Amino acid sequence: NAGVMQNPRHLVRRRGQEARLRCSPMKGHSHVYWYRQLPEEGLKFMVYLQKENIIDESGMPKERFSAEFPKEGPSILRIQQVVRGDSAAYFCASSPPGQANTEAFFGQGTRLTVV
Amino acid sequence: GENVEQHPSTLSVQEGDSAVIKCTYSDSASNYFPWYKQELGKRPQLIIDIRSNVGEKKDQRIAVTLNKTAKHFSLHITETQPEDSAVYFCAASTPRLGSWGKLQFGAGTQVVVTP
Repeated sequence: NAGVMQNPRHLVRRRGQEARLRCSPMKGHSHVYWYRQLPEEGLKFMVYLQKENIIDESGMPKERFSAEFPKEGPSILRIQQVVRGDSAAYFCASSPPGQANTEAFFGQGTRLTVV
Repeated sequence: GENVEQHPSTLSVQEGDSAVIKCTYSDSASNYFPWYKQELGKRPQLIIDIRSNVGEKKDQRIAVTLNKTAKHFSLHITETQPEDSAVYFCAASTPRLGSWGKLQFGAGTQVVVTP
């Protein structure tokens, strides 16, 4: 059972371009979470998704950021018209439904650099 | 929403000594408290967690205590070793739709263990 897979591991974008970050949850996990970690800071919750549903997007910036978790395929975090301040590590985590197993497993992260 | 505060921000200890990191939380509905260790450039990894129906949990050199009344929880590492050097994050979670993966993180503690 592979862990949470994120790609790409490193992504460089010029200001104004779009960034697409992908996350494939662990097998059997139907909950996906995206977190952002600015340099030398803690992780900040962005969005919580289940298949085809956004459950909680209270941590998402109001503009330029969107997320989806389609019925088939990975979850995508999309950042339009990137700016230097978007440079960060973006981590995806997944967990199974139900309270019996509480651990959220993190992927290796995508390090976005905006130049 | 939940707010988690973590202290200290940096902690230097001699090899073999103990390290203690403390966190407080604000939302009395939170009932799952994991601790993550993050080495430079890597993903956060769960090292221990505790649920609100337990006051203390231990796993070899690592222990976590929880005081629900005071809304604080602590990580204790005994007999520290150089490989314990990392950033440690506490987190709190309130279950939502059967999942505990939406985590509110503390700001992190940089632990340095000197030989």
